[in-house]
Amino acid sequence: KNEVEQSPQNLTAQEGEFITINCSYSVGISALHWLQQHPGGGIVSLFMLSSGKKKHGRLIATINIQEKHSSLHITASHPRDSAVYICAVRRGTDKLIFGTGTRLQVFP
Amino acid sequence: GAVVSQHPSWVICKSGTSVKIECRSLDFQATTMFWYRQFPKQSLMLMATSNEGSKATYEQGVEKDKFLINHASLTLSTLTVTSAHPEDSSFYICSAGTGPLNEQFFGPGTRLTVL
Repeated sequence: KNEVEQSPQNLTAQEGEFITINCSYSVGISALHWLQQHPGGGIVSLFMLSSGKKKHGRLIATINIQEKHSSLHITASHPRDSAVYICAVRRGTDKLIFGTGTRLQVFP
Repeated sequence: GAVVSQHPSWVICKSGTSVKIECRSLDFQATTMFWYRQFPKQSLMLMATSNEGSKATYEQGVEKDKFLINHASLTLSTLTVTSAHPEDSSFYICSAGTGPLNEQFFGPGTRLTVL
């Protein structure tokens, strides 16, 4: 079993829909990252969380440390949101452990 | 702010040649840089961690003589794939951070194809 599990693996949505991507982990962490990887390959860091909730534009990330779970929400989704969303956790000062990613396609 | 660049963005080379990939933090000083490789439809795999002025720490299974990493300054790290073979073809991504507990910023990646 992977230490970081994401669901769903693939997700399709109509433009305007509210989207949720989930991340569960099985180890103690110091921080959790949400990353976005576009088809060209470049990776953008969306959020780094250690507790609570963060919001940036249409993106919201939450984390529940007790339940070892985080969610990434996209409100009013748009085709340009189509990408692979990756959850990664850090244990102490150690390296990042990556989830396998969620492939999102938003259709007009 | 917090921009990381990589050069080249793609490279095609013949088997047996060496290829150097640069990773630069453009607007901050990166005490730590990470090198990853990614195969199609798979997640990132950490290859090594480099700290400025010291030797890189390689992950298990990564050949340090094949993947030479140099972190000579706080804004530049290089990865040299020596005597490249077709199985080294991959997407190589670097990230940079200002400390182990701080956010990592990722470069745009370099696609290497070895013929």
